[in-house]
Parts: sequence; C-alpha cells; structure tokens
Amino acid sequence: AQSVAQPEDQVNVAEGNPLTVKCTYSVSGNPYLFWYVQYPNRGLQFLLKYITGDNLVKGSYGFEAEFNKSQTSFHLKKPSALVSDSALYFCAVRDSWGKLQFGAGTQVVVTP
Amino acid sequence: NAGVTQTPKFRVLKTGQSMTLLCAQDMNHEYMYWYRQDPGMGLRLIHYSVGEGTTAKGEVPDGYNVSRLKKQNFLLGLESAAPSQTSVYFCASSRGGSTYNEQFFGPGTRLTVL
Repeated sequence: AQSVAQPEDQVNVAEGNPLTVKCTYSVSGNPYLFWYVQYPNRGLQFLLKYITGDNLVKGSYGFEAEFNKSQTSFHLKKPSALVSDSALYFCAVRDSWGKLQFGAGTQVVVTP
Repeated sequence: NAGVTQTPKFRVLKTGQSMTLLCAQDMNHEYMYWYRQDPGMGLRLIHYSVGEGTTAKGEVPDGYNVSRLKKQNFLLGLESAAPSQTSVYFCASSRGGSTYNEQFFGPGTRLTVL
C-alpha cells in the first residue's frame, strides 16, 4: 500500500523568509508525487508534480519541490514567503489507476 | 470555462434523509472523483469513474452511491444520511489516458447531518 506523511500540522514563517513544507512517501514502484494548495473555503489547486527526470520541480506561484529518492521525501519550498501563501498544503501520491492518496495537510501561516 | 462546479454549496440534512450532490465539468475529462475532507485526515476518496457509465469504489464508499450517466456529470448520493457523513465534499476531474495528469477540483459542498 502506498502512503504519504506530512509530519507538521502547522508551519509558521515570517514574510520574506524561506518556506519549507515536508512530505515523505511510501510506495512500491515509481512514485508519482503531487502538491496541492487549498485556500480558505476553496477547492484544492494543483501546484506541481514529479513524474520522472530532474529532482527539482518548479511549479506555480514561485513554489518548487525537491524529490529525494534515498530519503523518500518530496518537500515543498519557496525562497521568500508571502502573506498570501498562508493556506493548507497537501502532498499526494498517485497509484497506477490514477487515484490520489493525500497526506493530512500542513497549515502554513505567514506573518507580516 | 467554468471548470468543475458543484451543487449545492451548503446543505443541512436530518438523519435518515437522502440527497444527491451534483458535479459537472466542462473540460471533457474522462476521469471524475468524489472525495470527503475531514479535519486532520486530508481528503479521502469515496468513489471514482474512469469514463461514462463506469464507477468504482474508493477508500470510504460505505453509505454512498454514484452515477456517471453523462461524461460531464458525476452524481454522489446519500440514501440515508448519518451524522458521520457530516463533511466537506469535493469533486475532481482529470484527463484520461495517463495516470500523470493532475486533478482539477470543484469548490466543495459543506454538508451537515443533524
């Protein structure tokens, strides 16, 4: 069975500082990994995905994620956080049938 | 394009009542999904469909039924609502032909069962 874990319920960061949201995964076979963001009272929005190739994946809104096979991690990063980045972030792994398994989510709070 | 839309946005039911949630997408996507979101549990897949006329069970299918009579619509039914079904329900869709395509989500339906 595949799964993802987001070890932090909440991440607090000051505006302008680097932001990292952690995700680790467990799969048999090749991992297909995704990050989504959810703003209050909205549906999830796709940020980026790793399928194969470069370990550093660039996505929307200045976000990027680093795939690390040896550590089975797929951490989301942003060099300089904005107050508008405050949201709920989900990591997900996809199985061969196209179904997504989501982590529990990490609340990001960016303070001015 | 409207993307993925969900009807209704909010609903309050009494235990034992039934209702249907409607999801519509205008992107000609093959795959459609129904999730529920509960605090601290992420999103859990209820049912999904890989094409018109086909449906399959997800992680938490009990108490729900679905139908995909038209490619653009995916209906989620609760025959006899229970308080444990109080949740936020999200519909999503994605292109077929590959497991790599990202899913597009609707705005959600907040359901309360008293």
